[in-house]
Amino acid sequence: SQKIEQNSEALNIQEGKTATLTCNYTNYSPAYLQWYRQDPGRGPVFLLLIRENEKEKRKERLKVTFDTTLKQSLFHITASQPADSATYLCAPTQGNSGYALNFGKGTSLLVTP
Amino acid sequence: EPEVTQTPSHQVTQMGQEVILRCVPISNHLYFYWYRQILGQKVEFLVSFYNNEISEKSEIFDDQFSVERPDGSNFTLKIRSTKLEDSAMYFCASKGITGNSNQPQHFGDGTRLSIL
Repeated sequence: SQKIEQNSEALNIQEGKTATLTCNYTNYSPAYLQWYRQDPGRGPVFLLLIRENEKEKRKERLKVTFDTTLKQSLFHITASQPADSATYLCAPTQGNSGYALNFGKGTSLLVTP
Repeated sequence: EPEVTQTPSHQVTQMGQEVILRCVPISNHLYFYWYRQILGQKVEFLVSFYNNEISEKSEIFDDQFSVERPDGSNFTLKIRSTKLEDSAMYFCASKGITGNSNQPQHFGDGTRLSIL
């Protein structure tokens, strides 16, 4: 069955450092992969989408890589800030524009001053 | 920026009662979704809706659940006879279509459903 694994342990880093979050998937051939941020008691908020033919995507301090051979995506936040503290969800997605999102459980990131 | 809005923010209901959760998706969006998140667990897909019909549903979305788009703006999730295990945060999401490129889903801030 399809499985998505994200770092199960919370990630604690110091302000200014780079946070790296991992998303591994099995029994999937996603056409693209999305990353969302979720704050406590709030809905997920879209951050980045990367397609299977893209190796890397950047947006401001965020960078996502997508390795379809390793079946893995890495999500980096550079120069991290306390406001980046949240849970980050990955969603590898197959096929056309209608498909539902199948989320991983998420990785909790805490950035301390 | 346009938002998905959900009401109520918190709903408390006795077990066995019917409950309707309401959502107003972003106005020019065409795909609509319901997800749920049990406390401490992952966000799980329930159902997607396009062109006035269900396009996909998960195993969770059994006969106790139904969705409706009663007018041009609202999208509702009904649970006919609630069970204790239906207690969760329910998120509505919507998505537009621009050409053939995939677009992200936009989520509301959820309705916390508590079944007593």
